[in-house]
Amino acid sequence: EDKVVQSPLSLVVHEGDTVTLNCSYEVTNFRSLLWYKQEKKAPTFLFMLTSSGIEKKSGRLSSILDKKELFSILNITATQTGDSAVYLCAVEASKYGGSQGNLIFGKGTKLSVKP
Amino acid sequence: DTGVSQDPRHKITKRGQNVTFRCDPISEHNRLYWYRQTLGQGPEFLTYFQNEAQLEKSRLLSDRFSAERPKGSFSTLEIQRTEQGDSAMYLCASAPKQGTANYGYTFGSGTRLTVV
Repeated sequence: EDKVVQSPLSLVVHEGDTVTLNCSYEVTNFRSLLWYKQEKKAPTFLFMLTSSGIEKKSGRLSSILDKKELFSILNITATQTGDSAVYLCAVEASKYGGSQGNLIFGKGTKLSVKP
Repeated sequence: DTGVSQDPRHKITKRGQNVTFRCDPISEHNRLYWYRQTLGQGPEFLTYFQNEAQLEKSRLLSDRFSAERPKGSFSTLEIQRTEQGDSAMYLCASAPKQGTANYGYTFGSGTRLTVV
């Protein structure tokens, strides 16, 4: 059965700290890995990764994928209280190797940034 | 409106009642997904439409659940004879045709269902 495992499940840090969130997966017919930030409402898109070893960066956030070891990390540097949220990792897998896919989510990492 | 809209935002219903939720995707997106999220869990896939065709349904989708997407635009998710275990956030997401530049899924704000 396809699965996505995130760690840690929760994390408390102070403003200015750097954090690394982990996501490992076991899926057949992998297409892409996505990171989302969820603050009480809809998950908002952060990154989509399809190729190994290519870092994607957006401000203080960055992410990288290792398709050999089947994991991804999300780094947040110089954390701020506004980074407090649940960070969701999702893997898009296509059924029977076809073109359609759906997202398989991990349980998320709840990040709390204290002032 | 450039986002995914869901209606209602909140729904409280008595056990045994039927409820229906609506999702309006981004107009250019031909793919539409329904997910369910309970507290402390990531969203779980329920069903997927490409245009008006329902192409995949999860085992989670019991026969009390039905979804439609007439004309390939908005979608509805109906739950019949609701049970307390149906209480959750129901999220809708849309995505463009695969291979287009902006490939990501966009989620709506969800409908929070409470069955009492």
